[in-house]
Amino acid sequence: DAGVIQSPRHEVTEMGQEVTLRCKPISGHNSLFWYRQTMMRGLELLIYFNNNVPIDDSGMPEDRFSAKMPNASFSTLKIQPSEPRDSAVYFCASTVSGRLAAKQFFGPGTRLTVL
Amino acid sequence: EDQVTQSPEALRLQEGESSSLNCSYTVSGLRGLFWYRQDPGKGPEFLFTLYSAGEEKEKERLKATLTKKESFLHITAPKPEDSATYLCAVQANQAGTALIFGKGTTLSVSS
Repeated sequence: DAGVIQSPRHEVTEMGQEVTLRCKPISGHNSLFWYRQTMMRGLELLIYFNNNVPIDDSGMPEDRFSAKMPNASFSTLKIQPSEPRDSAVYFCASTVSGRLAAKQFFGPGTRLTVL
Repeated sequence: EDQVTQSPEALRLQEGESSSLNCSYTVSGLRGLFWYRQDPGKGPEFLFTLYSAGEEKEKERLKATLTKKESFLHITAPKPEDSATYLCAVQANQAGTALIFGKGTTLSVSS
């Protein structure tokens, strides 16, 4: 199994530039999550999708952040314009949602540095 | 507000020295509590799911337990390869499939 795939693994950009992070969930999973991890705040949920539909985006810090899931096998998280405080590790996770609590499978993350 | 607090933030053990990590939670109806392990530069890796108070699960040197207010991850006779950050997360009944994570406990085991 390929697991959750994220690209790029590392991104270094300058303030004001647009950044796009990509995620391919595990085949057959119908829920996808974007998280951000920092030393100060830990792992925070940004947004999640069920069956390609955004369910909760209350964790998205501001309008500079947007996420899409055009089909079951692909999602993007875009930051425009980027700022130094956006520097963090961004994780994508997926699962099969159901009645019981379902474990989420995480990708390797994208380390973003905004200069 | 749903909340997860882990303690201690960091723990240093000698090889073979058993200990426990704590996860205290406040949630409006618990659907499940999760433990993950995270190695540096990698994504969290699933360890256990606990669903109700009194439940216990084991895997090698790790044992997770659950009460109505907290969970413990017991590490018996740890080895250096157990060094990692251990994350606790809860899923609330009203939260859909979203997880709320604690900030983790970083465990270092020296030989």
